[in-house]
Amino acid sequence: SAVISQKPSRDICQRGTSLTIQCQVDSQVTMMFWYRQQPGQSLTLIATANQGSEATYESGFVIDKFPISRPNLTFSTLTVSNMSPEDSSIYLCSVEAGASTEAFFGQGTRLTVV
Amino acid sequence: GQSLEQPSEVTAVEGAIVQINCTYQTSGFYGLSWYQQHDGGAPTFLSYNGLDGLEETGRFSSFLSRSDSYGYLLLQELQMKDSASYFCAVRPIYNFNKFYFGSGTKLNVKP
Repeated sequence: SAVISQKPSRDICQRGTSLTIQCQVDSQVTMMFWYRQQPGQSLTLIATANQGSEATYESGFVIDKFPISRPNLTFSTLTVSNMSPEDSSIYLCSVEAGASTEAFFGQGTRLTVV
Repeated sequence: GQSLEQPSEVTAVEGAIVQINCTYQTSGFYGLSWYQQHDGGAPTFLSYNGLDGLEETGRFSSFLSRSDSYGYLLLQELQMKDSASYFCAVRPIYNFNKFYFGSGTKLNVKP
């Protein structure tokens, strides 16, 4: 299993500013994933973050808007840049532990942009 | 690509049995998983079907039929605490390390 600490748990931000979300895992993992979940909706994969290489982004998401860092095997950050109210959502980081078929999630960051 | 469809909402009473369906269109995947998410909480793993058939884990069972592009989660002896959203998810063959989630089903359990 894996325990993930994500922070902040929530924030209210002004449009045009940026917010960096941190994700810390209690074990070394190869890949970390970032999802967005709008209220009452499903989880949409933003990008996959490998240590030592650039993140791989899904269609509709770009690095300039959602830059990701992955400095080591237990930590990653997602920045939501130049925010607008449309970015209001829950952002979740996730990992898969070893050969497990199970994904583990952080508690999420509830972002409101005003 | 991946497309996993679920009913948006299901309501049932305590003690009943409910089935949440997941129909999918995908170019190929390793298995079908189910996750539970309470309001304000993180998704948590419930069950995984790597092969066709039924997997049972306590009150929860999950079923997969690849020939029918269909799976379901069966919840028995419903409890109020089962009120949550439920998501099916797949890991595509072209990229084993990713999970793609279904549209989600909100389950309301009433007394």
